[in-house]
Amino acid sequence: AQSVAQPEDQVNVAEGNPLTVKCTYSVSGNPYLFWYVQYPNRGLQFLLKYITGDNLVKGSYGFEAEFNKSQTSFHLKKPSALVSDSALYFCAVRDNYGQNFVFGPGTRLSVLP
Amino acid sequence: ETGVTQTPRHLVMGMTNKKSLKCEQHLGHNAMYWYKQSAKKPLELMFVYSLEERVENNSVPSRFSPECPNSSHLFLHLHTLQPEDSALYLCASSQDVTGVTSPLHFGNGTRLTVT
Repeated sequence: AQSVAQPEDQVNVAEGNPLTVKCTYSVSGNPYLFWYVQYPNRGLQFLLKYITGDNLVKGSYGFEAEFNKSQTSFHLKKPSALVSDSALYFCAVRDNYGQNFVFGPGTRLSVLP
Repeated sequence: ETGVTQTPRHLVMGMTNKKSLKCEQHLGHNAMYWYKQSAKKPLELMFVYSLEERVENNSVPSRFSPECPNSSHLFLHLHTLQPEDSALYLCASSQDVTGVTSPLHFGNGTRLTVT
């Protein structure tokens, strides 16, 4: 069965500092990994995905994520955080057997001015 | 503009009411989904439709009844709800159900409160 873990409920970071939001996963086949962001009173917005190829993928708003097969991780990163990055972040996984998306519980990111 | 529009944005209903949530996608996608998002719980998949045919129903109580008249529209009919059904209901679409690389595109949700 597929599963996704986001070990931190909350991440606090100062504006201008680098940020990392952690995600680990478990799938039967090849993983397809996604990050979404949710701002207050809004739906989830797609940020980026890893399908195959380069382990470092770049996405919207300056975010990037690094796929690490040996550690089964897909951490979200940004070199310099903005206050406007404060939101709820979800990691999600699918496998190549076509199962539905499985979402992690979410991590709340607070960027402090 | 997300490409997926949900109405109403907010809904308050009593336990004996009947109401419907509406979702429309303008992306030309073939798959549509209903998710439930409750506080402090993971996102719950409720229903999946592919080309207007229901392909998954995740043990959702019968007081929730989906309808997909065409590939652009999705409804969730509600009746005899319970207070624990209060949540944010999210509609999403994707290119198709089997395309594993296609991301979901979400609407902004309907915030439902059952009194």
